[in-house]
Amino acid sequence: EPEVTQTPSHQVTQMGQEVILRCVPISNHLYFYWYRQILGQKVEFLVSFYNNEISEKSEIFDDQFSVERPDGSNFTLKIRSTKLEDSAMYFCASSVEGFRGNTIYFGEGSWLTVV
Amino acid sequence: GQQLNQSPQSMFIQEGEDVSMNCTSSSIFNTWLWYKQDPGEGPVLLIALYKAGELTSNGRLTAQFGITRKDSFLNISASIPSDVGIYFCAGYHNAGNMLTFGGGTRLMVKP
Repeated sequence: EPEVTQTPSHQVTQMGQEVILRCVPISNHLYFYWYRQILGQKVEFLVSFYNNEISEKSEIFDDQFSVERPDGSNFTLKIRSTKLEDSAMYFCASSVEGFRGNTIYFGEGSWLTVV
Repeated sequence: GQQLNQSPQSMFIQEGEDVSMNCTSSSIFNTWLWYKQDPGEGPVLLIALYKAGELTSNGRLTAQFGITRKDSFLNISASIPSDVGIYFCAGYHNAGNMLTFGGGTRLMVKP
């Protein structure tokens, strides 16, 4: 069964460093997302991406964050200068279509620890 | 932002018992989704609900989209140890692509 894959599964980085999290969405999906989950808390929306541009973003997704689809298969989340509070599990997700009636599928997550 | 209130926060039950959890909101949601998350993994979709009043089953799981579009419940019948995990409701509030999650229900099953 097709699945969303993410790398790395776990990354430890020093505060202030740049981090890139990578995702390979399901191949026939057109909409891509990043969500995050701080330990013990609920999953929170960060950003959605379609047709090579951001279609929606939350207030969490500030200027430190950026997303990119550098080629036909990868979708990346970059955190420019990490802060301690960026420590969380980051989930990539994708869906065939982006309207509310569609379901999205999540990857297994990338656990980011900022020290 | 939109809020989904999920209850209970945790449940500790005996194997074989039925389980019920629900989500409510003060706002109308247009789609309700139920996910299960195992430790260290991503949410896995269990059931998707698209219409008010819709009742959908997936094996031992049954979920309903409330008539008011402000609530949904998930039932698990005859629980087994592998049902252990955190169950999240999630929904789309408007025409956008942002999925809002509830706070989760942590389910523990005693063999």
